[in-house]
Amino acid sequence: DGGITQSPKYLFRKEGQNVTLSCEQNLNHDAMYWYRQDPGQGLRLIYYSQIVNDFQKGDIAEGYSVSREKKESFPLTVTSAQKNPTAFYLCASKTQGTGSQPQHFGDGTRLSIL
Amino acid sequence: GQQVMQIPQYQHVQEGEDFTTYCNSSTTLSNIQWYKQRPGGHPVFLIQLVKSGEVKKQKRLTFQFGEAKKNSSLHITATQTTDVGTYFCALPNDYKLSFGAGTTVTVRA
Repeated sequence: DGGITQSPKYLFRKEGQNVTLSCEQNLNHDAMYWYRQDPGQGLRLIYYSQIVNDFQKGDIAEGYSVSREKKESFPLTVTSAQKNPTAFYLCASKTQGTGSQPQHFGDGTRLSIL
Repeated sequence: GQQVMQIPQYQHVQEGEDFTTYCNSSTTLSNIQWYKQRPGGHPVFLIQLVKSGEVKKQKRLTFQFGEAKKNSSLHITATQTTDVGTYFCALPNDYKLSFGAGTTVTVRA
């Protein structure tokens, strides 16, 4: 079945540590997105990529970094500069074009501070 | 980018009752999408509205796009426990989506 796979499901970070969240899709989608969701709140865009080897900052990019070396993969690194990383992280993808195509989401990664 | 206000933030509904959630924008929208996120789950696309005054139905869910294309609503008839979750509207914005804060629905049996 085609879909988006995020791993791990749960992740714990120590102080001063960088951690990387994985997102892989086999939907042949060009565009991929990372969102952060805090309890009881909506989705805030961290980074997005419309094509391989290109990505743009979203609304809350500080303390995060991404890469897009392959069409299928869009990993997110939460750096030690992100002082409040505890949240639910969602990866999404869609076909290329303007925003009107629906986005497909992975199951998410819950990140907590140790 | 475009901003959208979604109300109410929380909706507590007696099973069998109807309710409506609203999304309001200060600017004219080209289209609007609706998503549902079950507790502990991820958002799932429900529908997209494009035309002024458009009304679309999915079983007990009725989606409407305002005549001025500045607001949208989701009406659920005869609420069931399966309707529990958070409903988001989302505005396409270039190659991105801007999500509303969501309406979280709980159901009393």
